[in-house]
Amino acid sequence: RKEVEQDPGPFNVPEGATVAFNCTYSNSASQSFFWYRQDCRKEPKLLMSVYSSGNEDGRFTAQLNRASQYISLLIRDSKLSDSATYLCVVNKRDDYKLSFGAGTTVTVRA
Amino acid sequence: DAGVTQSPTHLIKTRGQHVTLRCSPISGHKSVSWYQQVLGQGPQFIFQYYEKEERGRGNFPDRFSARQFPNYSSELNVNALLLGDSALYLCASSLAPNTGELFFGEGSRLTVL
Repeated sequence: RKEVEQDPGPFNVPEGATVAFNCTYSNSASQSFFWYRQDCRKEPKLLMSVYSSGNEDGRFTAQLNRASQYISLLIRDSKLSDSATYLCVVNKRDDYKLSFGAGTTVTVRA
Repeated sequence: DAGVTQSPTHLIKTRGQHVTLRCSPISGHKSVSWYQQVLGQGPQFIFQYYEKEERGRGNFPDRFSARQFPNYSSELNVNALLLGDSALYLCASSLAPNTGELFFGEGSRLTVL
């Protein structure tokens, strides 16, 4: 079983729509959680950390459910520039590696 | 300020050859990690170096090796290349070794024929 699993999508949404997707992780020892964004043929960039109580960063909201071992990302008022692949990332305590999911592709159309 | 720089950006090799990829971290960052990203997959951890010492190694064969230099730059070496080694090799730097905030370079795209 993969450490981090994501629905690959693609999620095709119109501008202004809300889109949400989840990722699940297999290791209950996972301690830290993140969403990275990767544009086509570019490097991943940190979008936001995910905190236990949930957190917002502008139009982006991240939630963590430790009991069910999933993380979610919601994008409100989608912009064309939100089109990208969103990578779910988990990290165990004292582990030097980040475990990446395969990504969820979002395409926002005009 | 310069970000993470990697070289070469693209290269083509044949099976059995070896390759050396180079990475310069962001100034002040002492930790460098290497990841392999195959098309359609997320990055997979290969190595992490901090203060010139290997701090972690992913599930890759011994054909993969790396080192970090006194100026914190790093090299990734892959010997006896296989077709399956074709991938984007990403270098990431960070201030500390145990952080989720990685700054990636644009990567070195390796094609093995």
